[in-house]
Amino acid sequence: EDQVTQSPEALRLQEGESSSLNCSYTVSGLRGLFWYRQDPGKGPEFLFTLYSAGEEKEKERLKATLTKKESFLHITAPKPEDSATYLCAVQRVAGANNLFFGTGTRLTVIP
Amino acid sequence: NAGVTQTPKFRVLKTGQSMTLLCAQDMNHEYMYWYRQDPGMGLRLIHYSVGEGTTAKGEVPDGYNVSRLKKQNFLLGLESAAPSQTSVYFCASSYSDSRNEQFFGPGTRLTVL
Repeated sequence: EDQVTQSPEALRLQEGESSSLNCSYTVSGLRGLFWYRQDPGKGPEFLFTLYSAGEEKEKERLKATLTKKESFLHITAPKPEDSATYLCAVQRVAGANNLFFGTGTRLTVIP
Repeated sequence: NAGVTQTPKFRVLKTGQSMTLLCAQDMNHEYMYWYRQDPGMGLRLIHYSVGEGTTAKGEVPDGYNVSRLKKQNFLLGLESAAPSQTSVYFCASSYSDSRNEQFFGPGTRLTVL
């Protein structure tokens, strides 16, 4: 059965304290792995898509990496405005465009 | 561009009542989706559409119906609401299967009493 597991469920960081969020997945044929940010009361906001092991993408203080079993979202020197829930999702084999989401990591960055 | 918009933002229903949630996108996307988000469950796909006039079932379709009469609109209907359908509903759209970055609307918070 396909599974997406995110850890930790919640993470509190001091401003400037770098860390990583984990997304481990079990899926029959990965087409793509997606990272989203979700602020309270809002819809998810697209961040990155990763398609193959070894791929990396960066945006400001965020960097996403992908292996054959997991993805990491690295946050470098976070600021309070980075506080949000970060969601990971996988797309299965070609022809099945649906995304299967994890339950997210709630990040709080303390000034 | 407004992106993906949803109406209404909030709604309270009594058990057995019906309603329709409207989603509109102005990005000329082919694919559209309806998800529900519940605490501890993550986003779950209800129904989706791969083009005007098409619909398909997702992971949790029971109790819902959808229609895609126009490319830019995707409607989600609840014929007889139940308390188990209390949730936050999100609509999303994407350009195609090969470019499947999905863009989400702001959500509709539905409470069924």
